[in-house]
Amino acid sequence: GALVYQYPRRTICKSGTSMRMECQAVGFQATSVAWYRQSPQKTFELIALSTVNSAIKYEQNFTQEKFPISHPNLSFSSMTVLNAYLEDRGLYLCGARNGTTSGNTLYFGEGSRLIVV
Amino acid sequence: GDSVTQTEGLVTLTKGLPVMLNCTYQTTYSPFLFWYVQHLNEAPKLLLKSSTDNKRTEHQGFYATLHKSSSSFHLQKSSVQLSDSALYFCAFPTGGYKVVFGSGTRLLVSP
Repeated sequence: GALVYQYPRRTICKSGTSMRMECQAVGFQATSVAWYRQSPQKTFELIALSTVNSAIKYEQNFTQEKFPISHPNLSFSSMTVLNAYLEDRGLYLCGARNGTTSGNTLYFGEGSRLIVV
Repeated sequence: GDSVTQTEGLVTLTKGLPVMLNCTYQTTYSPFLFWYVQHLNEAPKLLLKSSTDNKRTEHQGFYATLHKSSSSFHLQKSSVQLSDSALYFCAFPTGGYKVVFGSGTRLLVSP
């Protein structure tokens, strides 16, 4: 079956330092990877959408300078939170899909929780 | 623009009772609707999905019917269990790769 492994599950970092998280798709080709942040209110914020052979598209309020993303192949993507501060706390989720057909399921990784102290 | 509206906030029920979590959507695309469930400290997992108008889709005791005439995809279960306590998200993919999520509904089932 299709699985997405995401790591680390949890990171505690000092204010102003950075955290890198990685996402590995198994059993399918991750032609697109979306990175989300889930706030304490539990809503999903889309940070950016990465598709193979296309530029990474960042949503409003999120920038490449703050959240650089790499998507080098069809099974791997990484994102870094640079200079993390309290407002960056939350659960970061990667979601991977294969193809653009509407029925293609978005498979989530287990999430990387960022705690900033 | 594309959007999903769900039952707001928290739904509290006693075990054994039926539940319906509302989901309505707005889009210009031909909709393919998803329900995701997220248990505490876990990632969201696909619960069920459908693109067929007026056809009931079922999984793990939950069911939903896509009604394009009313742009709805409400999630139902006839008898909730303690293990159904979780966050439930309604979502659909827009054109291309983007997936739009509702704000989530928390279901809390008590003994």
